Amino acid sequence: QVQLQESGPGLVKPSQTLSLSCSVSGGSISREGYYWTWIRQHPGKGLEWIGNIHYSGSTYYSPSLKSRITISVDTSKNQFSLKLSSVTAADTAVYYCAREEYPIGADYWGQGTLVTVSS
Amino acid sequence: NFMLTQPHSVSESPGKTVTISCTRSSGSMASNYVQWYKQRPGSAPTTVIFEDTRRPSGVPDRFSGSIDSSSNSASLTISGLKTEDEADYYCQSYDSSNHWVFGGGTKLTVL
Repeated sequence: QVQLQESGPGLVKPSQTLSLSCSVSGGSISREGYYWTWIRQHPGKGLEWIGNIHYSGSTYYSPSLKSRITISVDTSKNQFSLKLSSVTAADTAVYYCAREEYPIGADYWGQGTLVTVSS
Repeated sequence: NFMLTQPHSVSESPGKTVTISCTRSSGSMASNYVQWYKQRPGSAPTTVIFEDTRRPSGVPDRFSGSIDSSSNSASLTISGLKTEDEADYYCQSYDSSNHWVFGGGTKLTVL
């Protein structure tokens, strides 16, 4: 059973960089056929796709966030990460990591972590 | 790019059947698979339908998915409604650049 767990600061100051990691257990992040995905949900709102990464390093980013995001993978640690720069209050959200089997969406999700942007 | 439009909310009684629609604004709904996710308050989403019509193991056969090319929409149908089905449901597909597209979500109330 694959499990994903997000980790990182729950509070980030405006203009700083939000950094989250997602640790994968129960399966290799290097397994072919999967992408590793970040999704967020603003309080009381719907789901928003941020981007994803293949273990090879190939990435796809949301056009609306592309200028501010970097997704990376560390196969030695079996984890992947998200960096979102120049954050504002509008980036306050629950951030989820998930395993994606393209083109059929996510099959495993992390529990989510709330990140609040506030001074 | 395209949008996926869902009704904001639907409600139905226990034991009845409800259908949630997901309409694609442009391009063919059939050109990319549609997934449906269920999200209960305070919890992460879980998949109830993938690849338009398939159910993950553990999802009861009360859940079914379909595609209607004439209306360019996908539908999630839940029969024999139970109180535990009460949740938000999101459709999801891909655009031509392999980017995810989510519907706005539908709040299902089982009353």
